[in-house]
Amino acid sequence: DTGVSQNPRHKITKRGQNVTFRCDPISEHNRLYWYRQTLGQGPEFLTYFQNEAQLEKSRLLSDRFSAERPKGSFSTLEIQRTEQGDSAMYLCASSPGAGYGYTFGSGTRLTVV
Amino acid sequence: TQLLEQSPQFLSIQEGENLTVYCNSSSVFSSLQWYRQEPGEGPVLLVTVVTGGEVKKLKRLTFQFGDARKDSSLHITAAQPGDTGLYLCAGDSAGGTSYGKLTFGQGTILTVHP
Repeated sequence: DTGVSQNPRHKITKRGQNVTFRCDPISEHNRLYWYRQTLGQGPEFLTYFQNEAQLEKSRLLSDRFSAERPKGSFSTLEIQRTEQGDSAMYLCASSPGAGYGYTFGSGTRLTVV
Repeated sequence: TQLLEQSPQFLSIQEGENLTVYCNSSSVFSSLQWYRQEPGEGPVLLVTVVTGGEVKKLKRLTFQFGDARKDSSLHITAAQPGDTGLYLCAGDSAGGTSYGKLTFGQGTILTVHP
């Protein structure tokens, strides 16, 4: 297993466009998490899945953000009508279950111009 | 809302010095994890502490979980340039539907000069 894989690594988009990121977790891990991180700050929770079920979504997240994990494998995070404030590193992590440490991917850096 | 306060926010030291990073909260956590992150990469797990008062050592790094499970510290002995990075503490909710969801501190940026 090569760990958690995120694609693309970098994305530059114009304001108002939609973007979609993909995360492939470690195959045995049933938990998958999405976080957002701005420069020099700690990751901020967005949402997480247990298998295919989305268990929690941050109240800070607007309706422009949606995430899916069909069949409990890979996950996608979509941002509609991007805004400059969406510029950040989007991190995906997986874990074997609750109470375990996370394995993070290398992230997708989004720049909205 | 559970918050974790890390201090200091920035630390710039010379090779060979010792340092301590603190992670404090008013909330109780079921566990505390420490991560290290390099620029352009995701955080990497260093250690998980679970029991109040627990001390774990990882080579030159010593991690401690407070007795009340509300705070933690990371001590590095004889820091090396390779220790440079962003250090993050993260608390796991004490049970409930959010168990397993980590709340991160804002991080400590450590720079070790040769």
